[in-house]
Amino acid sequence: GQSLEQPSEVTAVEGAIVQINCTYQTSGFYGLSWYQQHDGGAPTFLSYNGLDGLEETGRFSSFLSRSDSYGYLLLQELQMKDSASYFCAVRDPNQGGKLIFGQGTELSVKP
Amino acid sequence: DADVTQTPRNRITKTGKRIMLECSQTKGHDRMYWYRQDPGLGLRLIYYSFDVKDINKGEISDGYSVSRQAQAKFSLSLESAIPNQTALYFCATSYDQNSPLHFGNGTRLTVT
Repeated sequence: GQSLEQPSEVTAVEGAIVQINCTYQTSGFYGLSWYQQHDGGAPTFLSYNGLDGLEETGRFSSFLSRSDSYGYLLLQELQMKDSASYFCAVRDPNQGGKLIFGQGTELSVKP
Repeated sequence: DADVTQTPRNRITKTGKRIMLECSQTKGHDRMYWYRQDPGLGLRLIYYSFDVKDINKGEISDGYSVSRQAQAKFSLSLESAIPNQTALYFCATSYDQNSPLHFGNGTRLTVT
C-alpha cells in the first residue's frame, strides 16, 4: 500500500521561508505532487516531481529524493495569503495511478 | 463558470435518509473521482471512474455508491446516511493518470 507522512502544522512569519516535508512508502512510484487548499475550498495543484531534484515555480519550489523516499515543498517570501493546508500525494501504480494524499500540513503565516 | 461543479454546496440530512451528491464537468476529462475530507485525515478516495463504463472502489467505499451517467457527470449516493458520514466531499477530474486533479468546490454534508 501507499502511505505518506507530513507535519500537521507549521507556523512562520511573513517574508520568511518555510519548508514542508513529506516522506512516503509506496509499492511503486510515479512521482510526488503537491496541492494547496484554502479554508476548506477546492484543493489546487501546485507542483509535481517525477525525477530527483528541484522544480521551481515562482516563490514555490518542490524537491524530490527517490532514494530517500522524501520530498519537500519550499515557500519563499511568505505572504499572508499563503496560509493554507498543503498536501503531498503519490499515485498508486496498482490501481490505475489513482492519487493518494497525505494528511496535510496547515501553514499559518503571521505578520 | 467553474470547470467542475458540485451540487449542492451544503446539505443537512437525517440518519437513514438516502441522498445524492452530483458532480458535472466541462473539461472533457474521462477520469472522475469522489474524495471525502475529514479534519486531520486528508483526502480519502471513495470511488473513481476512468470512463463511462468503468467504476472502481477506493479506500472507503462502504456505505456509498456512484453512477457515471455520462462522461461529464458522476454522482455519489449515500444509501442510508449515518452521522459519521458527516464530512466535506470533493469531486475531481483528470485528463489521464499522469495529469493533475481538478477539484470542484466541495459539498459540506451534515448527517444528524
